[in-house]
Amino acid sequence: LAKTTQPISMDSYEGQEVNITCSHNNIATNDYITWYQQFPSQGPRFIIQGYKTKVTNEVASLFIPADRKSSTLSLPRVSLSDTAVYYCLVGDEAGANNLFFGTGTRLTVIP
Amino acid sequence: KAGVTQTPRYLIKTRGQQVTLSCSPISGHRSVSWYQQTPGQGLQFLFEYFSETQRNKGNFPGRFSGRQFSNSRSEMNVSTLELGDSALYLCASSLRGSEGNQPQHFGDGTRLSIL
Repeated sequence: LAKTTQPISMDSYEGQEVNITCSHNNIATNDYITWYQQFPSQGPRFIIQGYKTKVTNEVASLFIPADRKSSTLSLPRVSLSDTAVYYCLVGDEAGANNLFFGTGTRLTVIP
Repeated sequence: KAGVTQTPRYLIKTRGQQVTLSCSPISGHRSVSWYQQTPGQGLQFLFEYFSETQRNKGNFPGRFSGRQFSNSRSEMNVSTLELGDSALYLCASSLRGSEGNQPQHFGDGTRLSIL
């Protein structure tokens, strides 16, 4: 399972775009990149998943360069309610999977 | 569609006791995974069940065990509780086994406190 490295914390003002980068140098061919958001005393919530290039949904975008050794979660125009811990996971279903969440990035949105 | 349901939400036990936690996955999900989350260690994988069989296991002592029923509901048991077992225990289900890489959907956990 490819381990990941993320910044421990980030601060941003409301209304700004936030980009959180995750490094995963040992990513395997079958691995997907998945991001979760977690609020205190709640379980992580799935945000977005991708394999290569760019993926966009209603809440975020995920940018993955050609070598797939890193990925960037982009949150447009953050609000105070986006204050949370964001986890990047790399793995595939068939393998040991899911399982290493790492320390995550604590995002604090400032009014 | 109902999400992952974990019961109870809060639990207080004393050292040496045992505890059973329950998880009902999203309808149609056959994979259930359990995690322990503590401030010091973060989110750590305990085990995964798929179609009533344990498919993956993390690095936890044998005091931690689980099982899955034919309806995909899962239980986790911890015996001989220790103070260090105080944590948020999270359950996640997924469509693992279906086509594509399926993300996990988490419940809000059981907060276990050991006195």
